[in-house]
Amino acid sequence: EDQVTQSPEALRLQEGESSSLNCSYTVSGLRGLFWYRQDPGKGPEFLFTLYSAGEEKEKERLKATLTKKESFLHITAPKPEDSATYLCAVQYASGGSYIPTFGRGTSLIVHP
Amino acid sequence: NAGVTQTPKFQVLKTGQSMTLQCAQDMNHEYMSWYRQDPGMGLRLIHYSVGAGITDQGEVPNGYNVSRSTTEDFPLRLLSAAPSQTSVYFCASADPVREKLFFGSGTQLSVL
Repeated sequence: EDQVTQSPEALRLQEGESSSLNCSYTVSGLRGLFWYRQDPGKGPEFLFTLYSAGEEKEKERLKATLTKKESFLHITAPKPEDSATYLCAVQYASGGSYIPTFGRGTSLIVHP
Repeated sequence: NAGVTQTPKFQVLKTGQSMTLQCAQDMNHEYMSWYRQDPGMGLRLIHYSVGAGITDQGEVPNGYNVSRSTTEDFPLRLLSAAPSQTSVYFCASADPVREKLFFGSGTQLSVL
């Protein structure tokens, strides 16, 4: 059973059409939840870290929120350049080591 | 500031051949890790290191070896390549409190 589940797997939007990506997690002892953006042929790039339920972070058209069970990445009025795969990762404390577990990602395509 | 540098970017091997994927970072990060990324599987942790001389296994360590003789370098060795090791490999380092990962640009490996 996946500890981190992202949905949907793929999302197609028209430019300007707002939507949300979901990341749900089942681990206990959450240390932090991370969002990354990955462009084709490149490594993931850090976007946000969230630590506690109710926390929100914003960057341009992106806003990340966190509850006790899940996180949402809201995309407001997206542009074609927002097209990418968005990865969620959960970091938990296990035996003193901090190791993030990644979800499988949501592939976002924004059409002009 | 180069960040995390991976070489080579592309590699084709024959079954049974050995090779080393190089990873170097110039941010003085103690934590470094190797992931493989396969379609539909997301990022899976192979090995990680919390400092020079210290390494540990991740989720999918079989067929891979690592060592960490310096803070800067964390090479990944394939001793006898198998077609199942065809994948994209990412090296990552983390800041001192491991709040976010910095990824290299990846190595695309094909084993025939």
